[in-house]
Amino acid sequence: ETGVTQSPTHLIKTRGQQVTLRCSSQSGHNTVSWYQQALGQGPQFIFQYYREEENGRGNFPPRFSGLQFPNYSSELNVNALELDDSALYLCASSLKPGVYEQYFGPGTRLTVT
Amino acid sequence: SQQGEEDPQALSIQEGENATMNCSYKTSINNLQWYRQNSGRGLVHLILIRSNEREKHSGRLRVTLDTSKKSSSLLITASRAADTASYFCATLGFSNQGGKLIFGQGTELSVKP
Repeated sequence: ETGVTQSPTHLIKTRGQQVTLRCSSQSGHNTVSWYQQALGQGPQFIFQYYREEENGRGNFPPRFSGLQFPNYSSELNVNALELDDSALYLCASSLKPGVYEQYFGPGTRLTVT
Repeated sequence: SQQGEEDPQALSIQEGENATMNCSYKTSINNLQWYRQNSGRGLVHLILIRSNEREKHSGRLRVTLDTSKKSSSLLITASRAADTASYFCATLGFSNQGGKLIFGQGTELSVKP
């Protein structure tokens, strides 16, 4: 157990809808990163938040957005869902950005129909 | 896009045997990390090796890094059925993109009792 929690565990949405996924970071960690993992693939970096500011973004369209709150928990929002957004969404927290170890949550499985 | 290529994609061995997985990457790195994932759940951090290190051990795990060949290997000795999982390498670069980890596509290890 890493101390990183994610909710919900599973989610089914319809194409075109919007979704919000939540992540609580490990105590003492001020950095949260989000990853998308399609079936049979490795995780792909979406973005990272450090002290409530975006601190790096991967190759994802603007309909993927995020927030980090003063308690360092975080949300991932996806608008105008597409079938290809079906994936496991993982968040990871770390002490700081950079070379520190990242601790992953159990993930949220999103299915878009 | 993924930086790492892992080899083999799948590996099936008997309990007690050793398992070796290889990872190659494309750009200069700060460190390389190995993760384990059970049945599409969250990632568990196994070991981190820095770019100035050549070998690292942790329990039954041995990781090597060859920066001249841009490759790493993970050896699991005396494997157990509980080691059955997917294994991913992930690299952290020197860019100013915080803690963006770039994952390979993974090796699926099956250890038969």
